[in-house]
Amino acid sequence: ETGVTQTPRHLVMGMTNKKSLKCEQHLGHNAMYWYKQSAKKPLELMFVYNFKEQTENNSVPSRFSPECPNSSHLFLHLHTLQPEDSALYLCASSRANTGTYEQYFGPGTRLTVT
Amino acid sequence: KQEVTQIPAALSVPEGENLVLNCSFTDSAIYNLQWFRQDPGKGLTSLLLIQSSQREQTSGRLNASLDKSSGRSTLYIAASQPGDSATYLCAVRGREGGSEKLVFGKGTKLTVNP
Repeated sequence: ETGVTQTPRHLVMGMTNKKSLKCEQHLGHNAMYWYKQSAKKPLELMFVYNFKEQTENNSVPSRFSPECPNSSHLFLHLHTLQPEDSALYLCASSRANTGTYEQYFGPGTRLTVT
Repeated sequence: KQEVTQIPAALSVPEGENLVLNCSFTDSAIYNLQWFRQDPGKGLTSLLLIQSSQREQTSGRLNASLDKSSGRSTLYIAASQPGDSATYLCAVRGREGGSEKLVFGKGTKLTVNP
């Protein structure tokens, strides 16, 4: 696959479960991002990694834990989530986290917390 | 704090019509503005990126303009087709809280009727 891929595409989990979302980019980029898209709300930036270093945590609750082992892979570890965490989680990448580069998005993971 | 507003929230037009989607932002100190398309349940596809020094960008039937001083951008779609039906998102990239961020509007849901 090319571009930005995300797995799984759909996930249903209980409030006591632990799961992980995976993102992989095949574009040779150095910056990766997690966004949350809830119904009726704009996309919200959650985390930014630039050259594998976390440079942004947008006041995200600790039940969301990101991991970036290398520039091509990004994970979002989930535990003890709440029903209001149900949303579309989008991963994106760009050449670097600077103003001139476009962000390319993956297809998203639709998460439902029961 | 940057805020992005898109008007209208929804638009329905007959096939073949030319149309304009509007985006406004409160802080004119931006690096660039990006228009995206999102199909239901899917990720974002980048349509056009306008750097802060540019006035417009064109791609096929799409033309985006940027008036940074007034905090406005428009996306013009010529000769609309049913396949153009999607939600169109506007996002501006600027510096906030010491870091660079992409701030999104809520989108305009476009329906092109055959």
